[in-house]
Amino acid sequence: QSALTQPRSVSGSPGQSVTISCTGTSSDVGGYNYVSWFQQHPGRAPKFMIYDVTKRPSGVPDRFSGSKSGNTASLTISGLQAEDEADYYCCSYAGGYIYVFGTGTKVTVL
Amino acid sequence: QVQLQQSGPGLVKSSQTLSLTCAISGDSVSSNSAAWNWIRQSPSRGLEWLGRTYYRSKWYNDYAVSVKSRMTINPDTSKNQFSLQLNSVIPEDTAVYYCAREGYNTMDVWGQGTTVTVSS
Repeated sequence: QSALTQPRSVSGSPGQSVTISCTGTSSDVGGYNYVSWFQQHPGRAPKFMIYDVTKRPSGVPDRFSGSKSGNTASLTISGLQAEDEADYYCCSYAGGYIYVFGTGTKVTVL
Repeated sequence: QVQLQQSGPGLVKSSQTLSLTCAISGDSVSSNSAAWNWIRQSPSRGLEWLGRTYYRSKWYNDYAVSVKSRMTINPDTSKNQFSLQLNSVIPEDTAVYYCAREGYNTMDVWGQGTTVTVSS
């Protein structure tokens, strides 16, 4: 099972919006609505920000949103803030009772 | 509030067995709605899902193809924890290992991580 493809880095100024893509196949991202997104600050465990493609767990700001089209899922951060600078990973159920993660994207707040 | 506390050695010699434990508080390893996962992270491989154990009237295990022949995940109901054993380790198994609860169709609660180095 290959890792999902994400851009290595994206950047934006405070207040701007950035979007991170996560490209898989019809066997993972495209086949199931079980895409989630994680935020990871240096030295910390990942924190889940989005699940089931679009849903936000309690406590996650509504400026984080998720979507999916075909084999590509996306995470959008609106109104970028300094504390959003982190690594972001997507994850998808891939059938056969397994999960696959994305390659990770570093978000830089300029 | 669910918390996961990992324990285990940070240094393992090549060809030996890596063993880690994840103690659960605030939930049960025998829960009928959760699953208990192991994930690792390294600079070369990124985040890699390794496997899980869960109870649905009986115990089930699922493993990633990449480690299936070498990995065992076991629940311990008496201590409310679960463990990972990875046999015949090689330097490429060097990584930060995380345990995580699977809820909401994803890993919603993570352990603190254990840095494991495999020495050659």
